[in-house]
Amino acid sequence: EIVLTQSPGTLSLSPGERATLSCRASQSVSSSYLSWYQQKPGQAPRLLTYGASTRATGVPDRFSGSGSGTDFTLTISRLEPEDFAVYYCQQYGSSPWTFGQGTKVEIK
Amino acid sequence: QAQLVQSGAEVRKPGSSVKVSCKASGGTFSSYAFSWVRQAPGQGLEWVGGIIPTLGAANYGQKFQGRVIITADEFTRTAYMELSSLKFEDTAVYYCARGLWFGEHHYYYYMDVWGKGTTVTVSS
Repeated sequence: EIVLTQSPGTLSLSPGERATLSCRASQSVSSSYLSWYQQKPGQAPRLLTYGASTRATGVPDRFSGSGSGTDFTLTISRLEPEDFAVYYCQQYGSSPWTFGQGTKVEIK
Repeated sequence: QAQLVQSGAEVRKPGSSVKVSCKASGGTFSSYAFSWVRQAPGQGLEWVGGIIPTLGAANYGQKFQGRVIITADEFTRTAYMELSSLKFEDTAVYYCARGLWFGEHHYYYYMDVWGKGTTVTVSS
C-alpha cells in the first residue's frame, strides 16, 4: 500500500501568515488522485481539495493544493482564525486508500 | 441537501461484532461510493474500506481484511460496516463518507460528504 508521510507534524504560525504543508508518497499517486481534509476537534473531517488541486465546493480560495507524482503541497495563503486545525492528505489512486498521519496547524 | 445519518454509539465485548449503519439523503444513490474511516482516541484517520453499491464492489484496508464486511442497500439508501473479532484497539469513532465514483476498469472516489461519526467502544 502507498504510505503517505506528512511534514511537519506541527506548524506554529500567527493569523495572516502563510502555511505550507507537505505530503510525500512512498510511490507515485496515480493520476494525482490525492485529496486534503481539514479536521477540527470534535468534528468530522471536511474535504478541502481533490485531484491534487481542485477545491471542493465552498472552500475559500486561500486554500490551494498542488503537486504530482510523489510530492504534494497544501498552501493556506493567509491564515484565518478558523484555519487552525489538523490537516490530512489522502490518496485514492491505488487501493487500499490511505491517509497521512496529519499536520497540526496551531496558533503561535 | 446531502446528508449522512449514522446509527448510535455501541459498546461491545472483545471477540464480538458490531454493525454500524449510514443512511444517505440527497443526490442519486447509484452515483456514489461509501467509505468508512475510523479515528481512535487522539489518533489520525484510518481508511477501513469502501463500496460502490451500484457495482457491488467493495475494497478494504489491509489491516481489516477478513474482519470487516461493507455492504449497501440501494432501496433503503443505507450503507453498513460490520467489524468482527473486536479488540480493545478497535475502540474509535467510525465515520461514514460519500463521494462520486468514476473510472472504467479501476474505480476511484474521494469523500466529500461525511456523517457525524459513531463511537464504538470495546470493553470487557
